[in-house]
Amino acid sequence: EAQVTQNPRYLITVTGKKLTVTCSQNMNHEYMSWYRQDPGLGLRQIYYSMNVEVTDKGDVPEGYKVSRKEKRNFPLILESPSPNQTSLYFCASSLSEGRNNEQFFGPGTRLTVL
Amino acid sequence: ILNVEQSPQSLHVQEGDSTNFTCSFPSSNFYALHWYRWETAKSPEALFVMTLNGDEKKKGRISATLNTKEGYSYLYIKGSQPEDSATYLCATPHNAGNMLTFGGGTRLMVKP
Repeated sequence: EAQVTQNPRYLITVTGKKLTVTCSQNMNHEYMSWYRQDPGLGLRQIYYSMNVEVTDKGDVPEGYKVSRKEKRNFPLILESPSPNQTSLYFCASSLSEGRNNEQFFGPGTRLTVL
Repeated sequence: ILNVEQSPQSLHVQEGDSTNFTCSFPSSNFYALHWYRWETAKSPEALFVMTLNGDEKKKGRISATLNTKEGYSYLYIKGSQPEDSATYLCATPHNAGNMLTFGGGTRLMVKP
């Protein structure tokens, strides 16, 4: 089944404790992206990647890192999480350029930073 | 930051009503306009990606139109059903690049 998977689905952590949210897609998509969703602010793009070893900042990259060492994986890293990073996070992928190809979204990761 | 606005923010309709809502975006450097449907507790799912001025797309009872010169898109739902209840999101790329900006969404609730 074609899908985007994220792990974990739910995470409660404490300020400053490094964490990684994994994202994997099995559709051989070139473009992958991370979004956060906050009430009243909608979906905001954190980082995106056009292909292996190519990543770019989105609207809200501060406090996050990403890597794209393999085509299928695009982990989101929070080196020192803070409470303002409490949010619902979505990973997405698309066939090639994100601008004119539909995005396939993962199931979401709900993160709480205490 | 690109300004993508959706209206109304929320909408309550009765089953069987037809409805429509709007996505407004800057008309300069337009490249594409995406529509997604997002049900509660699920992930957003793509409805349409539109690129040409005057484009009309249809999927079942849902259709969308695009006016790139004036910077808006309409999403129409004919004969709304309770299962249409969801948040409908539009998105467009910054300056024809690959960073997508989403609107705040229109939350549709269809009463049986």
